[in-house]
Amino acid sequence: DSGVTQTPKHLITATGQRVTLRCSPRSGDLSVYWYQQSLDQGLQFLIQYYNGEERAKGNILERFSAQQFPDLHSELNLSSLELGDSALYFCASSGNGNIQYFGAGTRLSVL
Amino acid sequence: AQSVSQHNHHVILSEAASLELGCNYSYGGTVNLFWYVQYPGQHLQLLLKYFSGDPLVKGIKGFEAEFIKSKFSFNLRKPSVQWSDTAEYFCAGATNFGNEKLTFGTGTRLTIIP
Repeated sequence: DSGVTQTPKHLITATGQRVTLRCSPRSGDLSVYWYQQSLDQGLQFLIQYYNGEERAKGNILERFSAQQFPDLHSELNLSSLELGDSALYFCASSGNGNIQYFGAGTRLSVL
Repeated sequence: AQSVSQHNHHVILSEAASLELGCNYSYGGTVNLFWYVQYPGQHLQLLLKYFSGDPLVKGIKGFEAEFIKSKFSFNLRKPSVQWSDTAEYFCAGATNFGNEKLTFGTGTRLTIIP
């Protein structure tokens, strides 16, 4: 168990819908990262938050947004979903070092 | 641009065989390197990391990796694999500023035949 909790584990929804993925980092970790894992793109960095502030942005679509709350949990919002958004979404957290610990992921299926 | 590449997409070995998975990186400046393993249906777990110092790093489950700066490589090795090593292996890099995003290679699927 990495200490990073992601909910839900699975999400099935339809095209055009909006979903929210939730991540609770390890206790004390200030940084939260979101990654997308798909068969064609591999593991891609989406966005990072550090202590409530956006720190870095990767290949994140404009339809996607994220935030980190005062209790340090983070949410990734995906809207106007398309079939191609079907993927595994991982959250990771890190503390003072440069080691990221990953959650079990949310598998999103867009039908 | 920062990049990490893994040459082997799928490797099939028999139990007790030796393993070496290739990883090359392209980073400006100092880089931190990692190997993660993803067992079927599970999350990514850290196998080992290199930040600085001894270029031969040892990780969990008998894995080790060697950082060769002149070759921009960080290959993963294990002298004798087991069936339970069947998994996907990802090499990743990050700049050494701390709390930086990971850039992943495409992964290598390892299948061990009993």
